[in-house]
Amino acid sequence: AAGVIQSPRHLIKEKRETATLKCYPIPRHDTVYWYQQGPGQDPQFLISFYEKMQSDKGSIPDRFSAQQFSDYHSELNMSSLELGDSALYFCASSLEGDSYEQYFGPGTRLTVT
Amino acid sequence: GENVEQHPSTLSVQEGDSAVIKCTYSDSASNYFPWYKQELGKGPQLIIDIRSNVGEKKDQRIAVTLNKTAKHFSLHITETQPEDSAVYFCAAGATMYSGGGADGLTFGKGTHLIIQP
Repeated sequence: AAGVIQSPRHLIKEKRETATLKCYPIPRHDTVYWYQQGPGQDPQFLISFYEKMQSDKGSIPDRFSAQQFSDYHSELNMSSLELGDSALYFCASSLEGDSYEQYFGPGTRLTVT
Repeated sequence: GENVEQHPSTLSVQEGDSAVIKCTYSDSASNYFPWYKQELGKGPQLIIDIRSNVGEKKDQRIAVTLNKTAKHFSLHITETQPEDSAVYFCAAGATMYSGGGADGLTFGKGTHLIIQP
């Protein structure tokens, strides 16, 4: 079965640079979630989108923004990167009105030097 | 906001024995409780979930129970196998039955399950 696709899988940036992470949800899924997971930590919810509209907001820094496009893929834009932004970033998708089950992608490992 | 506590942080069991992981949540609005298995370097994998209108759910060797009154839920794995070794996360969230998306999940801190051969 098709899964969530994330790109790139690995990204190295320097402090104060910008980064864009992409997420392609499971076909037919209309809701996308972004999570950040630090080393040895649990995933922290950042933001979610349903039908291209923001549906919930978590602990997303003001330096980050995200959007969902008409084909349901989503992008997380990160600016003024800090060392503390180094983490795994996961995208998950679900089908609204169906089961609410969130399926996670393989993640993007961001390293800020 | 929601707060999810998970115990134990590490659990070591003999192969073939059972493992139990427990979680509590704080927000009465939460109505969806999934469990995820995460292997090193991989994304969390949904293994089972339960909703607030159900007290127990079973899928082969895995079962989950929910006590809404006490606000706690548990994962039970029977006949453990070496491939069960991983970090397990419980989570809580609220669905919006009227549409318009769903809340992000709040995760527990995770349990490192070690299956001893």
